Amino acid sequence: GALVYQYPRRTICKSGTSMRMECQAVGFQATSVAWYRQSPQKTFELIALSTVNSAIKYEQNFTQEKFPISHPNLSFSSMTVLNAYLEDRGLYLCGARVGNTEVFFGKGTRLTVV
Amino acid sequence: GDSVTQTEGPVTVSESESLIINCTYSATSIAYPNLFWYVRYPGEGLQLLLKVITAGQKGSSRGFEATYNKETTSFHLQKASVQESDSAVYYCALGGMNYGSSGNKLIFGIGTLLSVKP
Repeated sequence: GALVYQYPRRTICKSGTSMRMECQAVGFQATSVAWYRQSPQKTFELIALSTVNSAIKYEQNFTQEKFPISHPNLSFSSMTVLNAYLEDRGLYLCGARVGNTEVFFGKGTRLTVV
Repeated sequence: GDSVTQTEGPVTVSESESLIINCTYSATSIAYPNLFWYVRYPGEGLQLLLKVITAGQKGSSRGFEATYNKETTSFHLQKASVQESDSAVYYCALGGMNYGSSGNKLIFGIGTLLSVKP
């Protein structure tokens, strides 16, 4: 079956430092990968959508300069949170899709900033 | 704009009781809205519970069902008899192609924590 692994599951970083998180599609090739963030007491917000052979599209309030994404092949994507501060804490979710089918989500990376 | 509003939790019901979690949506920039219910069990990732892509249709899964009502812009989740194992967070979501943009995205509601008492 289709699985999406995210690594690490939890991470703590010091304020002002950066951390990278990874998303691996297993059992299928993801033609698009979406990164979401769930901040405390909020719902999941789309950060960016990365589609094969297209430019990565960032949502309002999120920029490539702050959340650079790499999507080198159909089974892997990574995102870095640069210069993390308290407002960046939360659960980061990766959703991978093949074509127009169901989105498969990983379990998320929980980021704590201290 | 595009948004989803759902019942704020936590919602606590006893086993075998019926359940309804309300969800309404606003889709101003999405050409053909698709509606979803996702569920997140403790310690697990987000899983698709059910989806409906055509207005007027009903989706069902694991005893849950939801009808896509375009007139009332609603997609309420219902179950006739809940079980303790249904305890989880439920997210209503709106998806579909946005006008003038490539790709598609999901817009989630706030999530409703459901606790089922034995």
